[in-house]
Amino acid sequence: GAVVSQHPSWVICKSGTSVKIECRSLDFQATTMFWYRQFPKQSLMLMATSNEGSKATYEQGVEKDKFLINHASLTLSTLTVTSAHPEDSSFYICSAKQGAGWGYTFGSGTRLTVV
Amino acid sequence: GENVEQHPSTLSVQEGDSAVIKCTYSDSASNYFPWYKQELGKRPQLIIDIRSNVGEKKDQRIAVTLNKTAKHFSLHITETQPEDSAVYFCAATMDSNYQLIWGAGTKLIIKP
Repeated sequence: GAVVSQHPSWVICKSGTSVKIECRSLDFQATTMFWYRQFPKQSLMLMATSNEGSKATYEQGVEKDKFLINHASLTLSTLTVTSAHPEDSSFYICSAKQGAGWGYTFGSGTRLTVV
Repeated sequence: GENVEQHPSTLSVQEGDSAVIKCTYSDSASNYFPWYKQELGKRPQLIIDIRSNVGEKKDQRIAVTLNKTAKHFSLHITETQPEDSAVYFCAATMDSNYQLIWGAGTKLIIKP
C-alpha cells in the first residue's frame, strides 16, 4: 500500500533555531500534501495545503513566513519551522493525497520540542 | 466553511458492549466521511469511511451510518475489545478541495 515516510520522528531544538521536517511518498506521487499540527489531547489542525509545484495555501492564523512549506516534487514535501519558540512544540503530521478521489496517506508524525 | 462536531469527548464501556460515537457536519456539500483511530503518539489510521451516496457501511465489528438530511453520521463498534481503546476522530470533506475537517475526538476506554 501507499507509504509516506516522515522524518525526523522526534526533534528537540533550541529556541530561535529552525527545524525541517520531511515527508516523502515512497511508492506513489503525492500531488497534494496536507500539513497538520496536533497539540496534546486535541484534534488535528490543518496548517496548510500544498500542491506540487505551487505555493502552499495556509489556513487562517498560520504564519506563512514562520512555517515554510516546499513541495517541489511529487515525492517530497518539507515543512520548516523557522525561529522556533516553545509554543511551537507540538506533533506535526503530513498527509499525502494522490490525484483525484479519496484516500489519504499519513506520515508517522514528528514530535517537536523547543527548549 | 465546514464545521464538524463530535460527541462524546470520552466514552467508557464494558468490554463486550457496544460503543457509539456521533458527529454532525454543517456543509451539505460534504460528501466523504472517514473515521480514524489514533493511538498515543501515532498517526491516525483509517478504520472505515462512507460516501454520501451510501447510508450505511459495515466491516466486521465496525459500522458507520450516515443521515444526509440531518447531516450527521455515527460510528458503531460492537463486541468491544481492550485493543479498541484509543482516540477516534470523525472527519468530513468534499471533492472540491479534499481538505479533511476533523471532529474534536472521542477517547474510548474499554473497561475489562
